[in-house]
Amino acid sequence: SQQGEEDPQALSIQEGENATMNCSYKTSINNLQWYRQNSGRGLVHLILIRSNEREKHSGRLRVTLDTSKKSSSLLITASRAADTASYFCATDSGTSYGKLTFGQGTILTVHP
Amino acid sequence: ETGVTQSPTHLIKTRGQQVTLRCSSQSGHNTVSWYQQALGQGPQFIFQYYREEENGRGNFPPRFSGLQFPNYSSELNVNALELDDSALYLCASSSRTGASYEQYFGPGTRLTVT
Repeated sequence: SQQGEEDPQALSIQEGENATMNCSYKTSINNLQWYRQNSGRGLVHLILIRSNEREKHSGRLRVTLDTSKKSSSLLITASRAADTASYFCATDSGTSYGKLTFGQGTILTVHP
Repeated sequence: ETGVTQSPTHLIKTRGQQVTLRCSSQSGHNTVSWYQQALGQGPQFIFQYYREEENGRGNFPPRFSGLQFPNYSSELNVNALELDDSALYLCASSSRTGASYEQYFGPGTRLTVT
């Protein structure tokens, strides 16, 4: 079963615009992670935010976490065509090491 | 590139057959997790191996089994294949010795069951 629900399911923007993806989850977590997947291949780890953190930055990525609302958002600033991919949030409940529960993902298309 | 490799890249099998998928973990990683990703879905946790023993299992039937070897590489075996087993199978390696929870994914094996 999927823990997270991502919104929107698909997002289409122009190069240079910002892209925001949201993730909601159901149970308490130890940390939440965002991954990128190109063309149905392997997942690339983008950023991890722990349950006691509220915001984290990495390059053009900004992640927020609201544990009271059980939600997270991923912001990609100044998007590029190379950012075109599927983006997944994954939660780690901390009760079983390394077991990640993924959402269904957001398909991001960035037009040049 | 994460340093995690999987073989084969693609595989076509017939319903009822058995399949073995292989994963080599990143150097220094002692834990391997397997995930199944159906088309258009997020990955689902199958099971995890740590120190050659199964350590946590998702909602998958016993015909999904695995092994981890002393060099920490791993196999996923699926018996009595069903059409719904068609998916991308991903392995991820990680290390319990550090404080990082990050998992490193391989490129996946695309299994088609006909």
